[in-house]
Amino acid sequence: AQKITQTQPGMFVQEKEAVTLDCTYDTSDPSYGLFWYKQPSSGEMIFLIYQGSYDQQNATEGRYSLNFQKARKSANLVISASQLGDSAMYFCAMRERTSGSARQLTFGSGTQLTVLP
Amino acid sequence: SQTIHQWPATLVQPVGSPLSLECTVEGTSNPNLYWYRQAAGRGLQLLFYSVGIGQISSEVPQNLSASRPQDRQFILSSKKLLLSDSGFYLCAWSVGHGGVGETQYFGPGTRLLVL
Repeated sequence: AQKITQTQPGMFVQEKEAVTLDCTYDTSDPSYGLFWYKQPSSGEMIFLIYQGSYDQQNATEGRYSLNFQKARKSANLVISASQLGDSAMYFCAMRERTSGSARQLTFGSGTQLTVLP
Repeated sequence: SQTIHQWPATLVQPVGSPLSLECTVEGTSNPNLYWYRQAAGRGLQLLFYSVGIGQISSEVPQNLSASRPQDRQFILSSKKLLLSDSGFYLCAWSVGHGGVGETQYFGPGTRLLVL
């Protein structure tokens, strides 16, 4: 089974609107971390936001926020007030405690976001 | 602040030729280092990671190898490239001892095309 599922291969949003990128995950580990990365066409993976499984509040970082619903095992990224520069591929990733020394980040397949002027 | 460099940025190599990709990190000591590969339109696959000089762990069996000759230098190598080695190679670093919240920061990547 896929550990990280991103069901939206592509999304479009109008400039200045908010957009939600979906991410569901699968783990039996009570301790895990969820990450979102942005990959523009240049290729560099840019860290956006982190949510720990024990965090009581949803993470926020500027225009990025994470809608964390633990019971549903979802960690959707919300981008407010979209800008043209937000057009990129977005990846959700997870690290489980049982990764141990493997330190493995498991990535989803990504969502290509296009912001329209 | 920390900076991560990768070179070359782009590489076109014939099948059977050797490979050497280099990654260096500045502004931090004793980082954990990682090599990932990304096939076109796909997520990332961890190839190797290192928690210290000379310490390499392999995640995926392949004809690639990694070395860490210095604290902030990580090298990805191959003796003979295969067509299937084409892809986008990303180096990353983190600091910490394996907590779930240990964030990995990525370099600009190397695009490798094997012909």
